[in-house]
Amino acid sequence: EAQVTQNPRYLITVTGKKLTVTCSQNMNHEYMSWYRQDPGLGLRQIYYSMNVEVTDKGDVPEGYKVSRKEKRNFPLILESPSPNQTSLYFCASSSDRGTSEAFFGQGTRLTVV
Amino acid sequence: AQSVSQHNHHVILSEAASLELGCNYSYGGTVNLFWYVQYPGQHLQLLLKYFSGDPLVKGIKGFEAEFIKSKFSFNLRKPSVQWSDTAEYFCAFTGSYIGGYQKVTFGIGTKLQVIP
Repeated sequence: EAQVTQNPRYLITVTGKKLTVTCSQNMNHEYMSWYRQDPGLGLRQIYYSMNVEVTDKGDVPEGYKVSRKEKRNFPLILESPSPNQTSLYFCASSSDRGTSEAFFGQGTRLTVV
Repeated sequence: AQSVSQHNHHVILSEAASLELGCNYSYGGTVNLFWYVQYPGQHLQLLLKYFSGDPLVKGIKGFEAEFIKSKFSFNLRKPSVQWSDTAEYFCAFTGSYIGGYQKVTFGIGTKLQVIP
């Protein structure tokens, strides 16, 4: 079954404690992205990746890092989380340089206290 | 900069009522247009898409959307909603290329609540 898998689904952490949210897709897609979803703001892109070792900033990259060492994996790293990063995070993948539909993971609800 | 405007942020309808959700995009070139749906507690799923050809696009679960290029619009419609259509709906489009990647822009979403 084609899917994008994120872990964990829920996470509560404290300010400043580094964390990683994993994302894996089994569709051999080149393009992967991270979004955060906040009430009234919709989906905002954090980072995207066009292929292995090729990543770039989206609209709201501050406070986040990513890596793409393998085609299937695209982890999101928060080196020093802050309360304003409390949000719902989605990973997505797509083929065809992003023109085709995006497949989304189940989401990670992060709370930073 | 490309942007998407969804006019209604929260819509409440009774079952069997007709639905139309507005979506306007801002971009001067060729676009690919999407509607995604997010059921409560779930991830976004594609409802329908328009790349080219017939501007009236039919999607899953009886939804359709019409691309009107002159109005930069891609409104979503359904003749008769059901309680199971309660969800949040996102309009999105791809426009400009940035380093070989076609940027996707999402609207802020419209929450639809269908009352039985």
